[in-house]
Amino acid sequence: RKEVEQDPGPFNVPEGATVAFNCTYSNSASQSFFWYRQDCRKEPKLLMSVYSSGNEDGRFTAQLNRASQYISLLIRDSKLSDSATYLCVVKALLRGGSEKLVFGKGTKLTVNP
Amino acid sequence: DGGITQSPKYLFRKEGQNVTLSCEQNLNHDAMYWYRQDPGQGLRLIYYSQIVNDFQKGDIAEGYSVSREKKESFPLTVTSAQKNPTAFYLCASRNRGQVYGYTFGSGTRLTVV
Repeated sequence: RKEVEQDPGPFNVPEGATVAFNCTYSNSASQSFFWYRQDCRKEPKLLMSVYSSGNEDGRFTAQLNRASQYISLLIRDSKLSDSATYLCVVKALLRGGSEKLVFGKGTKLTVNP
Repeated sequence: DGGITQSPKYLFRKEGQNVTLSCEQNLNHDAMYWYRQDPGQGLRLIYYSQIVNDFQKGDIAEGYSVSREKKESFPLTVTSAQKNPTAFYLCASRNRGQVYGYTFGSGTRLTVV
């Protein structure tokens, strides 16, 4: 089982639509979770962290279900500018006390006029 | 402004050549990372370094080498032993004092010709 798995997509939606992305992770000891956005041929950028209680940032809502090891991202009232690839990311511990980010393959979203 | 600088942005390599990708940060971050991204794939960890003069292999270190002689610099050499070097390479650094604290460079796109 891959460490982080996402919906393969792609998602094509009209402007104003609500779209949801799902993600599962395999390491039950994981403590930190994130959604990143990556535009074509650019570096990934942090969209939002995901907290156990769920959190919202404007049109974006992230949810975490630790029991199911499941993370979601909901985008409401989607805009053309939301078109990008969305990466589910989990923080993993490494030996020596360091850590790394483990990335899902990403789900490409295209919002159409 | 503080940040990470990767150079060059685009790099072309002939078969059998070694090439070095530069990564410099002025954020005073201790930890630095190299990731590789292939089309339609998430980022995969190549090497990481927690402190100067120390570095560890990540998940796909074969065919790569690094050095960490200065806190600010973490160059990656793609050797001729790397059989499929064409990819997008991303450098990141992390502030160990923060829950998140990651900063990514803008990437180097390496193509074998």
